[in-house]
Amino acid sequence: GENVEQHPSTLSVQEGDSAVIKCTYSDSASNYFPWYKQELGKRPQLIIDIRSNVGEKKDQRIAVTLNKTAKHFSLHITETQPEDSAVYFCAASKTGGFKIIFGAGTRLFVKA
Amino acid sequence: DVKVTQSSRYLVKRTGEKVFLECVQDMDHENMFWYRQDPGLGLRLIYFSYDVKMKEKGDIPEGYSVSREKKERFSLILESASTNQTSMYLCASSPAGGAGETQYFGPGTRLLVL
Repeated sequence: GENVEQHPSTLSVQEGDSAVIKCTYSDSASNYFPWYKQELGKRPQLIIDIRSNVGEKKDQRIAVTLNKTAKHFSLHITETQPEDSAVYFCAASKTGGFKIIFGAGTRLFVKA
Repeated sequence: DVKVTQSSRYLVKRTGEKVFLECVQDMDHENMFWYRQDPGLGLRLIYFSYDVKMKEKGDIPEGYSVSREKKERFSLILESASTNQTSMYLCASSPAGGAGETQYFGPGTRLLVL
C-alpha cells in the first residue's frame, strides 16, 4: 500500500546550522507533498508544500525539494533557531484521493 | 481563520466504556478526518468523511466508528474502549478538492484507557 518513509527520526543541530529532513514515497501517482510542524503540546500546522510540477519551493528560511524520478522530497531549514525545535511531518497525497499519508515524523532539537 | 475544536483535551475512561470524541469546524469544510498519533508511528488515519452522512475507512478503523450528521461536526466513537486505544486523537478538516488541500488540525484529545 501507500507508504511514506521519513528520516531521521531525531535530529539535533546547533543554532545557526542547517537541518535537512528526507522523505520517500511509494505511490508514483502522488502529486502533492505538504510539510507540517508540530510544536510540543500543539496541533500540527502546515509550514510549506510542493506540487509535482515544480522541483523546489522556498519560503524564507525553509525550502522543499522534490525528485519525482527517485520519489523523494526533502525539507531544508537554514539558520536554525531554538523556536524551530518541533516534530516535523512530511506527507504525500494524490489527485482524486482524500487521504494524506504521513511520515512517522522527525523530532528536531535546535541547541542554543 | 480556520478553527477546529475538539470536545476534550484530556479524557480518562475505563476498559469497556463507550467513548465519544467530538470535532467541530467552522469553515464549512467538506472533508473531515480522524487520526491517532503515537510516538514513532506518525499520524495514522482512522476514518474520514467527504460529505454529510458519508464515511470512509482509513488505515486503522478497527475498534472505531464515526458519525457525521452535520457538515461541521464529525464524531469518533470507541464502542468498547480498550487499553491499546490509549493515544492522542487528532481531528482535521479540509475544503473540497481531494488532494492538494491543506488539512487544519484540532488541538487533540489525549485519551487514557485504564
